[in-house]
Amino acid sequence: EDKVVQSPLSLVVHEGDTVTLNCSYEVTNFRSLLWYKQEKKAPTFLFMLTSSGIEKKSGRLSSILDKKELFSILNITATQTGDSAIYLCAVVSNNNDMRFGAGTRLTVKP
Amino acid sequence: DVKVTQSSRYLVKRTGEKVFLECVQDMDHENMFWYRQDPGLGLRLIYFSYDVKMKEKGDIPEGYSVSREKKERFSLILESASTNQTSMYLCASSLPWGHQPQHFGDGTRLSIL
Repeated sequence: EDKVVQSPLSLVVHEGDTVTLNCSYEVTNFRSLLWYKQEKKAPTFLFMLTSSGIEKKSGRLSSILDKKELFSILNITATQTGDSAIYLCAVVSNNNDMRFGAGTRLTVKP
Repeated sequence: DVKVTQSSRYLVKRTGEKVFLECVQDMDHENMFWYRQDPGLGLRLIYFSYDVKMKEKGDIPEGYSVSREKKERFSLILESASTNQTSMYLCASSLPWGHQPQHFGDGTRLSIL
C-alpha cells in the first residue's frame, strides 16, 4: 500500500533557527511530490518537485527531492514566528492518486 | 487568485442528522475533492470529482456521499451523521490531472454530538 511518512510529527524551535522537515514515501509509479503550508485555515501550496537533485527555493524556504532514496526535505532558514504552521507533504502517482502525510507541526518561539 | 469557499467555518450537528457541506470554486476547475483532516492522520481523501455529475470514491467514502450538479459546486453529504465523523473537512479544486497543485478552502470544523 502506498504511504507517505513525515518526520518529525512536531517540532519546537526558536526564531533564527534552521529547520529540516522530512518526507519519505513508498508510492507506486511516482509522479510528483508537493509541499503545503497550513496555518489556521487552508493549506497553501509551496513547492512541487518532480526531478531528483533540483532544489526549489522561495525566500527562506527550499526543498529538494531524492527519487533514488524516496524522500524529500523542506528547509527553512532563519525561522520566524510566522513560519509556525503544519507542513504537509503529498505524493502524486501516475494514476493521479494523491496521498498526504500526517504533517509536521512546527512551532517557532520568539 | 483561485478562491475555494466552504459554506461554513464551524458546524455542530446531532447524531443521525443528514448534513450538507458545500464547496464552491471560482476558477472553472474540472477537479474537486473532499478530505477530512484528523490529528496524526493527515488529510484523507473521501471523494473526488473530475467533471460535472462524475464522482470517484477516495480512501474513506463510507458514510458519505457527494453531489456535483454544477462545475463550480461540490457538496459532501453525511447521510446519517455519527460521532466518528467529527473532524475538519477540507475542500480542494485543481485543473485537470497532471502536475497541478490543489487549491484548498478554509475548512469546516464539524462536530457531531
